Amino acid sequence: AQSVAQPEDQVNVAEGNPLTVKCTYSVSGNPYLFWYVQYPNRGLQFLLKYITGDNLVKGSYGFEAEFNKSQTSFHLKKPSALVSDSALYFCAVRDKGNTPLVFGKGTRLSVIA
Amino acid sequence: ETGVTQTPRHLVMGMTNKKSLKCEQHLGHNAMYWYKQSAKKPLELMFVYNFKEQTENNSVPSRFSPECPNSSHLFLHLHTLQPEDSALYLCASSQEPGLESGELFFGEGSRLTVL
Repeated sequence: AQSVAQPEDQVNVAEGNPLTVKCTYSVSGNPYLFWYVQYPNRGLQFLLKYITGDNLVKGSYGFEAEFNKSQTSFHLKKPSALVSDSALYFCAVRDKGNTPLVFGKGTRLSVIA
Repeated sequence: ETGVTQTPRHLVMGMTNKKSLKCEQHLGHNAMYWYKQSAKKPLELMFVYNFKEQTENNSVPSRFSPECPNSSHLFLHLHTLQPEDSALYLCASSQEPGLESGELFFGEGSRLTVL
């Protein structure tokens, strides 16, 4: 069975500093990995995904994520955080085949001015 | 702007009421989903519809009854709910569930409170 772990409930970072939101996964085959963001009172918005190829994936709003197969991780990163990045971030994974997307419990990012 | 619209955005109901949540997608997708989001818990997949046919029912209690009359519309009928059913209910769509690389597109959710 596939699963996702987001070990941090909350991440605090100062504006202008780099940020990292952690995600590890477990699948039986090759993973398809996704990051979503949820702003207050809104639905989830797609940020980026890893399917195959380059381990560093670039997405919306200056975010990127690095796929690390040996560590089964897909951490979300941004070189310089903005206050407007404050939101709830979800990592998700899907195994090959017709399986539903499985989400982590989310990490709340707070960027302080 | 989201291509997935959910109504109502907020709903308060008693345990004996019957109500429905509605979702409409304008993206030409063939698959639609209901998710339940509770505080500090992973998103819970409830139902999946592919080309109007239900392909997944994730052990959801029968007090939740989905309906998918066509590929653009999805309903969640609610009756005799419990207070623990209070949550944000999210609708999503994708091109098709078997497309492994395809991302989901979410609506803004319906916040349900059961008194």
